Amino acid sequence: DGGITQSPKYLFRKEGQNVTLSCEQNLNHDAMYWYRQDPGQGLRLIYYSQIVNDFQKGDIAEGYSVSREKKESFPLTVTSAQKNPTAFYLCASSPRGSGYTFGSGTRLTVV
Amino acid sequence: GENVEQHPSTLSVQEGDSAVIKCTYSDSASNYFPWYKQELGKGPQLIIDIRSNVGEKKDQRIAVTLNKTAKHFSLHITETQPEDSAVYFCAASIYGGSQGNLIFGKGTKLSVKP
Repeated sequence: DGGITQSPKYLFRKEGQNVTLSCEQNLNHDAMYWYRQDPGQGLRLIYYSQIVNDFQKGDIAEGYSVSREKKESFPLTVTSAQKNPTAFYLCASSPRGSGYTFGSGTRLTVV
Repeated sequence: GENVEQHPSTLSVQEGDSAVIKCTYSDSASNYFPWYKQELGKGPQLIIDIRSNVGEKKDQRIAVTLNKTAKHFSLHITETQPEDSAVYFCAASIYGGSQGNLIFGKGTKLSVKP
């Protein structure tokens, strides 16, 4: 079955560490997205990519980095520069200009 | 750029009643309006969508209406059930556009009381 997979489901980060969240899709979608969701809040766009080897900053890109070396994969790195990384991270993919398919999310906690 | 406003932020109904969530958008070029349901601890799931060439779309107990002139669209859930309790997000975009990023509303937390 086609879908979008995020891993891990739960992730713990120590202060000052970089961590990478995985997002893989087998839907043959061109576009992929990363969102951050804080408790009781909406979806805030971190980065997006419309095509391989190209990506754009969203509304809250500071402290995050991404790569898009393959169409299927769009990993997100939360760097030590992100001062408040505890949140629920959602990855999504879409055919360009259409509705999104979301992954099941990664919950990141700073310990 | 596009801006999507969603109301109310919270909504509580009795089981069996109807629920209505409303969204307005600012960019008259937007022509694609999906609705997502997010259950606790999960990713949002597309439940229904509408394009600007139609005014209403139904799928069992769920319907979406669109008023292009007023630039607003609404989600209607009839005969609500406890499993309808979730956060609902509306969104807008230009379908097939070169950017095509969905712009989301801030969400409505729906609680259905048995």
